[in-house]
Amino acid sequence: GIQVEQSPPDLILQEGANSTLRCNFSDSVNNLQWFHQNPWGQLINLFYIPSGTKQNGRLSATTVATERYSLLYISSSQTTDSGVYFCAAVNQAGTALIFGKGTTLSVSS
Amino acid sequence: DTAVSQTPKYLVTQMGNDKSIKCEQNLGHDTMYWYKQDSKKFLKIMFSYNNKELIINETVPNRFSPKSPDKAHLNLHINSLELGDSAVYFCASSPPGRVYSSYEQYFGPGTRLTVT
Repeated sequence: GIQVEQSPPDLILQEGANSTLRCNFSDSVNNLQWFHQNPWGQLINLFYIPSGTKQNGRLSATTVATERYSLLYISSSQTTDSGVYFCAAVNQAGTALIFGKGTTLSVSS
Repeated sequence: DTAVSQTPKYLVTQMGNDKSIKCEQNLGHDTMYWYKQDSKKFLKIMFSYNNKELIINETVPNRFSPKSPDKAHLNLHINSLELGDSAVYFCASSPPGRVYSSYEQYFGPGTRLTVT
């Protein structure tokens, strides 16, 4: 099956800083999603982005499908951005999301 | 509200017991999933149902039995609970389509199961 790798595993930021999270995947994808798991454990859909670029407020994501990676940009980070960010993908032969191990983000004031 | 909902949110039980977790979605989706998140926060697919038919059973012990009474519900029954079953279980759903796995999945709030 498809392999999904995320980097960095941990990230510590001061409030107001920008960051880039990376997701590499080993095969062509039909589906790629970014999630934020907040400190209460809730999984929040950020982006559905098998290709191209999307923006939502301070967050944006870009997937370069031909080079098998996706990037999540967080600008002007806030303490509420803390939590774990997951990338997950499905390849053409797959039938469910395969998750990376996540990037744990800590934003301090 | 339109959403994927799960009950209960927390479940504490003893080894050897049998328990069920319920999942319902009112999004009109055809495909539903169960994922397990372990203590290291790793998320892994357990089951997938499309139109009430089992699509995936990912090396899950047969103590776990999913049941889909209709397209809006996918319940998870667990027999003879073990300590290693302690985890957070997430239900998810995705819209109908020819290649259902290519569509965005929406997750429920999770059920934290603790086996003592």
